[in-house]
Amino acid sequence: AQTVTQSQPEMSVQEAETVTLSCTYDTSESDYYLFWYKQPPSRQMILVIRQEAYKQQNATENRFSVNFQKAAKSFSLKISDSQLGDAAMYFCAYRRIYGGATNKLIFGTGTLLAVQP
Amino acid sequence: DVKVTQSSRYLVKRTGEKVFLECVQDMDHENMFWYRQDPGLGLRLIYFSYDVKMKEKGDIPEGYSVSREKKERFSLILESASTNQTSMYLCASSRLEGRENTGELFFGEGSRLTVL
Repeated sequence: AQTVTQSQPEMSVQEAETVTLSCTYDTSESDYYLFWYKQPPSRQMILVIRQEAYKQQNATENRFSVNFQKAAKSFSLKISDSQLGDAAMYFCAYRRIYGGATNKLIFGTGTLLAVQP
Repeated sequence: DVKVTQSSRYLVKRTGEKVFLECVQDMDHENMFWYRQDPGLGLRLIYFSYDVKMKEKGDIPEGYSVSREKKERFSLILESASTNQTSMYLCASSRLEGRENTGELFFGEGSRLTVL
């Protein structure tokens, strides 16, 4: 079964600095999707960025980028120029594409990011 | 603006009570999900539905049931609430999966349930 591991329960970053959140996963599939979701305090979870496993190029969305290392099964999120609004719980998630249960996302345990002014 | 709406943000119930959590989406999505979120455990899937009247168990279905009578509405039912069901419940929806569809989830704001 696929699993997603986030080994950093909490992280802190100074405003305007860069921070990297770690995520590793375990799968025997060769093609899948990976996601980073953001859950601000008392607000709904939203998608930050997604990566398709068959694409070698790392996804980028403005200040957010990923370092996708397929062989190492690693999918880290880099936040550049951190802002106070980036403070949130961040979840890494995996979705298989082929086979059964392809509509299910498997989530990690989350990393709580604090941004210091 | 797409929206997933959960009927109650905060509920307090007593042990043994029947609890209904309602979720409505306005995106005409086929898939709907109920997750439970607990500190240190992340999000765990309780049930999901890929069509009206269709449902499948997730990873932790015990003590829960669901109902999907209309495409836009997905209800989570706790037949007899227990204290270990105190948690944050998140509803989500997505398009039908497929190679061209990433299956991105759209979430509601969550329902925080306390069972006394």
